[in-house]
Amino acid sequence: EPEVTQTPSHQVTQMGQEVILRCVPISNHLYFYWYRQILGQKVEFLVSFYNNEISEKSEIFDDQFSVERPDGSNFTLKIRSTKLEDSAMYFCASSERGAVGHNSPLHFGNGTRLTVT
Amino acid sequence: SQQGEEDPQALSIQEGENATMNCSYKTSINNLQWYRQNSGRGLVHLILIRSNEREKHSGRLRVTLDTSKKSSSLLITASRAADTASYFCATDVGTGFQKLVFGTGTRLLVSP
Repeated sequence: EPEVTQTPSHQVTQMGQEVILRCVPISNHLYFYWYRQILGQKVEFLVSFYNNEISEKSEIFDDQFSVERPDGSNFTLKIRSTKLEDSAMYFCASSERGAVGHNSPLHFGNGTRLTVT
Repeated sequence: SQQGEEDPQALSIQEGENATMNCSYKTSINNLQWYRQNSGRGLVHLILIRSNEREKHSGRLRVTLDTSKKSSSLLITASRAADTASYFCATDVGTGFQKLVFGTGTRLLVSP
């Protein structure tokens, strides 16, 4: 069964450094997402992406964050200057359809654990 | 309470028993989804129930939705040790492209 893959599985970085988290969504999916889960807390929506542009973003997704689909297969999340509070598990997801009412489930990757020291 | 509150927070049962988890939410929804998360792993979609549906089955899973009470339940029948995981409800509040609001989760432990 096709799956969403994320690399790296664990990233350690120093405060202030830039990180890029990478994802390969399922090939025939058109909608892409990033969610994050701070240890012990809920999974939180960050951003959705469709047709090469951001569809929606949460208040967490400030100017320090950006997403990109640099080619036909990868989907990346960049954090420009990491803060301690960015430490979390970051999940990429994709869905076949995304628009309201289409009821298409999300397929998640196994996540990248980001540790900011 | 917040959107997507689940109870119990933790549930411990024996193999073969049924497990029931509940989810409450506050706003109107487009659909409600249940996901499973094994420790340190990603979320696996289990079942989706639309706002106009009341009950749905998938294998050993049974989901109910009561939009008047803004609540849902997930029943796992004849549980197995492999069902040990955290279970989350997620509501699609229909404000945008699959912006899911996740619940707090129920940690299920199934002992052999």
